[in-house]
Amino acid sequence: DQQVKQNSPSLSVQEGRISILNCDYTNSMFDYFLWYKKYPAEGPTFLISISSIKDKNEDGRFTVFLNKSAKHLSLHIVPSQPGDSAVYFCAARARGAGSYQLTFGKGTKLSVIP
Amino acid sequence: NAGVTQTPKFRVLKTGQSMTLLCAQDMNHEYMYWYRQDPGMGLRLIHYSVGEGTTAKGEVPDGYNVSRLKKQNFLLGLESAAPSQTSVYFCASSPLAGAEGYQETQYFGPGTRLLVL
Repeated sequence: DQQVKQNSPSLSVQEGRISILNCDYTNSMFDYFLWYKKYPAEGPTFLISISSIKDKNEDGRFTVFLNKSAKHLSLHIVPSQPGDSAVYFCAARARGAGSYQLTFGKGTKLSVIP
Repeated sequence: NAGVTQTPKFRVLKTGQSMTLLCAQDMNHEYMYWYRQDPGMGLRLIHYSVGEGTTAKGEVPDGYNVSRLKKQNFLLGLESAAPSQTSVYFCASSPLAGAEGYQETQYFGPGTRLLVL
C-alpha cells in the first residue's frame, strides 16, 4: 500500500506561470515532509521541507503547503522557469524509531515550456 | 568536498554474476542508505546503516547484502544478479540530528545504472 502518493505523473506549465505539484499521504505518523528535485542522470537534490507543526514554508520561488486534516501537501513554484523542468519527489518521515527513514512518492515530471 | 560518490556509474551483468556497488561520502554523516529507482516506482529503500558496523533491512532487501566497515563507505552487494535487479541505484547519507549545520534531509549520489541480462 502506497503511503505517499503523487497522482500526477506529469505536468506541463508555461514559463512565468505557477506550477503546483501535489502529494497525498496516508500514514498519520508522518511528521516531516520533503520535496526533492531530480534531473536526468543525476541524484535527487533537496528542495524544501516542512514540519507538521507548520502549514506553510517558503524559500524564494518555492512554497510548500501542508494540510494535515486532508493529509495533503503541495509545492508551488512561482514563477516557473525552464530550469525547473525535472522530476519532483515528495517524501515523508514518520515519528519514532527509524525516523531517519524516508518514504518517497513515485514522482511528478514537470515540464516548463518557454 | 565531493559529497556522495558512487562507483561504477554504469554496469552490465549477466544473470548469476555478482558485483559490488561502492558508495563513499566525505561529510562525516552517520546514516547511509541504498535505494533503487524503477520506472513508475519512485525510490525504494533497500538497506540502510545508522553507523559504522551496523546495517538494517529496508523495504526491498531481498537479493542484496550490504556492509559498512568504515563510516565513510557503504557497499551494496549482489551475490547472484537477476534481471529483476535491473535498476538505477542511489546511495544517500544524512547527518546525526543536532550536528553542526544540521539540515534534516538526505544527500544523494549521482546513481549507478545496472543492467542485468
